[in-house]
Amino acid sequence: EAGVTQFPSHSVIEKGQTVTLRCDPISGHDNLYWYRRVMGKEIKFLLHFVKESKQDESGMPNNRFLAERTGGTYSTLKVQPAELEDSGVYFCASSPQVPLDFSYNEQFFGPGTRLTVL
Amino acid sequence: RKEVEQDPGPFNVPEGATVAFNCTYSNSASQSFFWYRQDCRKEPKLLMSVYSSGNEDGRFTAQLNRASQYISLLIRDSKLSDSATYLCVVRRGSTLGRLYFGRGTQLTVWP
Repeated sequence: EAGVTQFPSHSVIEKGQTVTLRCDPISGHDNLYWYRRVMGKEIKFLLHFVKESKQDESGMPNNRFLAERTGGTYSTLKVQPAELEDSGVYFCASSPQVPLDFSYNEQFFGPGTRLTVL
Repeated sequence: RKEVEQDPGPFNVPEGATVAFNCTYSNSASQSFFWYRQDCRKEPKLLMSVYSSGNEDGRFTAQLNRASQYISLLIRDSKLSDSATYLCVVRRGSTLGRLYFGRGTQLTVWP
């Protein structure tokens, strides 16, 4: 079974430009999450989709970030315009809607997109 | 105050050593607890969930103390392949909710 995939693996852009990150969750997983790790800091939550709906977007840093999940399949995260502090690794994770173990539903992570804003 | 605090490390141990990592969490509403492992420039992967009564998976033992809001991971008979960053992770409430990560503890096992 294919895991979570993310594209691109790396992106280098200049301040003020726009970048769009893509995540393809594990097939059949209704829950999709975006996280970010800024250098030297812990991985932090950005938002959570259940199918195409935003369940929790309280971690989005500001309105320069826009996430979508049209049709409830893949998701995109757009940063416009990018700032220097947006540099980091953006991880996507997915989990099934009906957990096999109600207490310990695992989130499966993709390999991440390493974003560098110059 | 950070949601999850971990020993920063790094820990450098010889093969065969026993090493322990500690972690504390600040929110008493936390319901689920995990240790994830992250290899260099890779994604985090679940190592093990942590149950209230403590649990063991081969050479790995996890403990949870809800009263002290403390989680631990013990690795016995360390292998070279155990070299990685170990992330303490908690989740509040919903089984589908966000994860809160510690900064991670780096472990290097040398021959």
